[in-house]
Amino acid sequence: SAVISQKPSRDICQRGTSLTIQCQVDSQVTMMFWYRQQPGQSLTLIATANQGSEATYESGFVIDKFPISRPNLTFSTLTVSNMSPEDSSIYLCSVNGRGHYGYTFGSGTRLTVV
Amino acid sequence: DQQVKQNSPSLSVQEGRISILNCDYTNSMFDYFLWYKKYPAEGPTFLISISSIKDKNEDGRFTVFLNKSAKHLSLHIVPSQPGDSAVYFCAASGITGANSKLTFGKGITLSVRP
Repeated sequence: SAVISQKPSRDICQRGTSLTIQCQVDSQVTMMFWYRQQPGQSLTLIATANQGSEATYESGFVIDKFPISRPNLTFSTLTVSNMSPEDSSIYLCSVNGRGHYGYTFGSGTRLTVV
Repeated sequence: DQQVKQNSPSLSVQEGRISILNCDYTNSMFDYFLWYKKYPAEGPTFLISISSIKDKNEDGRFTVFLNKSAKHLSLHIVPSQPGDSAVYFCAASGITGANSKLTFGKGITLSVRP
């Protein structure tokens, strides 16, 4: 399965600022996924990032708040913009290696907004 | 609307005994069901899965049972070991369209007492 390097692993940010999270995969993948896990909640899909096209956002998530870049088949970034304390969550990237059974996740970014 | 429900937030089991983790779902279009395991400061890792055409899948100490009529699945760990202590997420997906993304439950924290 793919190996994903995600950074930063954690950050504490001031409200109103932005944070960019990076994910690097050790192999080329068509789709990369960005998830959010709020405290005590399930993992929620934010968007799907395809190389060469705009990301597809899930209901409740918008590009202005969570812009995504996908410059090539091994790399993606998620930016959390104009942060508020409600954005405090764990953010994870994921790739699909071998159909449904091969979803691999990065180690996550624990974001605290103060 | 929570389509995948893990109603028990935590479970504590004695080492060597059986751990049974339950999961319910509401979407009849789900065809694949997966369990992920998550240690602190790490991303979720794939554990075991089952297709809707089966009612049981076994992999070593881990067995997943699916009851489609009841929209219920369970993960059995026998015998439980202290290293199994982690958060376990149930996830489900369908084949096409909006149902093809992974939908997660909130997770169950399993503690295995030595």
